[in-house]
Amino acid sequence: VQLVESGGGLVKPGGSLRLSCAASGFTFISYSLNWVRQAPGKGLEWVSSISSSSSYIYYADSVKGRFTISRDNAKNAVHLQMNSLRVDDTAVYYCAREVGGSGRMDVWGTGTMVTVSS
Amino acid sequence: QSVLTQPPSVSAAPGQKVTISCSGSSSNIGINYVSWYQQLPGTAPKLLIYDNNKRPSGIPDRFSGSKSGTSATLGITGLQTGDEADYYCGTWDTSLSALYVFGTGTKVTVL
Repeated sequence: VQLVESGGGLVKPGGSLRLSCAASGFTFISYSLNWVRQAPGKGLEWVSSISSSSSYIYYADSVKGRFTISRDNAKNAVHLQMNSLRVDDTAVYYCAREVGGSGRMDVWGTGTMVTVSS
Repeated sequence: QSVLTQPPSVSAAPGQKVTISCSGSSSNIGINYVSWYQQLPGTAPKLLIYDNNKRPSGIPDRFSGSKSGTSATLGITGLQTGDEADYYCGTWDTSLSALYVFGTGTKVTVL
């Protein structure tokens, strides 16, 4: 059972980045997926959630209108399209599996670093 | 700004017990299950407790969780040096729109 994030990097303010999370070892369509971020030296911040069939999608107020979460159940992947990036979006972004809206995030990736700086 | 409040730090000697509180409201802890996560330095968070008081496979029974009203508590007994980490509570908040909230985080130090 594994989640592997990719797509992080350095981007200028106002720029865009697309993060991906590849899943393996479990029945992907049975789980919701979340993105959680952690700014350097700070606590955890939930970013977005997508249900198994993409019927339910939620965003934190801090990213609403700028970030878009999506999933490809055929490829066992979830993506986070990040537009209009700001300096305060700088963080490690984790992908986390959630058991059916229960709030239980039981599998986490190792994270990918996003740095927004001029 | 997190809506779940935790003490910034707790500490105790090896073998002792610590408790970490997580204070919320009627729109989050009051009506939803609470999970607890352990984050060792430089690593990803790890699920420690779910559904208020259940432990995933592999988590020792030194770790326990409870919930009462709009607050939750994580207990760690028989404290070990390997327990030094940051601990976060988390749950869904269904006030205006659904969103997941984490606690402010607590640093556990083994003296």
